[in-house]
Amino acid sequence: GEDVEQSLFLSVREGDSSVINCTYTDSSSTYLYWYKQEPGAGLQLLTYIFSNMDMKQDQRLTVLLNKKDKHLSLRIADTQTGDSAIYFCAESYSGGGADGLTFGKGTHLIIQP
Amino acid sequence: GAVVSQHPSWVICKSGTSVKIECRSLDFQATTMFWYRQFPKQSLMLMATSNEGSKATYEQGVEKDKFLINHASLTLSTLTVTSAHPEDSSFYICSARDHSGANVLTFGAGSRLTVL
Repeated sequence: GEDVEQSLFLSVREGDSSVINCTYTDSSSTYLYWYKQEPGAGLQLLTYIFSNMDMKQDQRLTVLLNKKDKHLSLRIADTQTGDSAIYFCAESYSGGGADGLTFGKGTHLIIQP
Repeated sequence: GAVVSQHPSWVICKSGTSVKIECRSLDFQATTMFWYRQFPKQSLMLMATSNEGSKATYEQGVEKDKFLINHASLTLSTLTVTSAHPEDSSFYICSARDHSGANVLTFGAGSRLTVL
C-alpha cells in the first residue's frame, strides 16, 4: 500500500524554527495536509496544499512541497510552547483509504525552554 | 468553519457493558462520517465508514458486531462498543468531510474509553 513517512520526534528550542518533514509514495496525490493533535484531543487541520503548488504560507506556518521528490515539509516560525503536539502529515489520492486519506505516524514536537 | 462534536469526551465502564459514543456535525450535513481508533503514540486506524441511511462499511479486521455504527441522520453518527472488554480501551475519534472541495476531514475531539 501507499506510505507516508515521518520522523517520530523533533526537539527544538523555544523561539527557533521547527521543520517537520514527510515523504509520501503516491505521485497522484491531489492534496497534502498537516494536522495537529494536542494531548487528549482530536486532530486539528493546520493547513493543506494542492499538489500543483510548491509553497503555501499562513502566518507562522510555511508548507513546502517538492513533488519530484515526494517530500512535504511544515515550518513553524518562532516556535512556542503551545506548539508542542503531534503533527500528522496526510495525503489524499484516489487510491486512498475509505476516508480518502493516508496518514503518517505523526511527529512529536518537543519544545525546550 | 466546519465543526464536529464528539460526546462523551471520556467514559469509564465495567467489563461486559456497552458504551455509545456520538459524533455530530454542527454546521454542515455529513452523509458520510468516519470512525477511528488511536492507540498511544500511534497514528489513527480507520475502523469504519458510517453511511447515512445505510449500513456502515467496516475495515478489514474490525468486528462489526462489536462496534455497532448507526447513522440515522445527516448530522449524527453513533458508535456503540458492545460487551466492552479492557482490550477495547482506546481513544476513539470520528471525522466528517466538509464541502470545501479540498477533501478536508474535520475531526471530533475524541472519546477516551477505559474499560475496567
